[in-house]
Amino acid sequence: GAVVSQHPSRVICKSGTSVKIECRSLDFQATTMFWYRQFPKQSLMLMATSNEGSKATYEQGVEKDKFLINHASLTLSTLTVTSAHPEDSSFYICSARETYNSPLHFGNGTRLTVT
Amino acid sequence: GQQVMQIPQYQHVQEGEDFTTYCNSSTTLSNIQWYKQRPGGHPVFLIQLVKSGEVKKQKRLTFQFGEAKKNSSLHITATQTTDVGTYFCAGPSLYAIQGAQKLVFGQGTRLTINP
Repeated sequence: GAVVSQHPSRVICKSGTSVKIECRSLDFQATTMFWYRQFPKQSLMLMATSNEGSKATYEQGVEKDKFLINHASLTLSTLTVTSAHPEDSSFYICSARETYNSPLHFGNGTRLTVT
Repeated sequence: GQQVMQIPQYQHVQEGEDFTTYCNSSTTLSNIQWYKQRPGGHPVFLIQLVKSGEVKKQKRLTFQFGEAKKNSSLHITATQTTDVGTYFCAGPSLYAIQGAQKLVFGQGTRLTINP
């Protein structure tokens, strides 16, 4: 089955530093990847839609300059949390799909803690 | 805006009891998808329903899509401890961005089981 790999699974960083999270589709090409944020015991909040070779589309209220998304190839998208602050601490999950109507395959998620 | 609502938000049952979660959309959906997220894990695709009135079964899980394609349900017969987790329904957004059909997720139903 389709596998999405996300790294790192956990990261602790100091306030003011930047953190990069990678999302790779291992056995399929993903023209579109999605980035979500999830707070404890809450639903998935879509942050942005990432298309290969073009700029990401951010959801309302998500700061583009803070959450930099790059989708350089059909199998890799990255999310960089710039100048992280404690309020950015959360669970970040990426997902990818093979075709327009196919289901989403999620990465394992990255738990970010900013101290 | 488009909304996907799920009830109940939480459900606690004794092992062996049945469980049902309901999903209601503010708009007609072309399809509905169900995902399961185990505690500490990432969402995993369970099933997709496309046709009006469709019913699909996966062992003890029964999924239904309403005739009007605005609601859906997931029923688990004789729950087991392995069923613990949060169940999310999701439907395609009305707004396709850059050709990518994003999903709108319900808030999820968190199932806990007393063994």
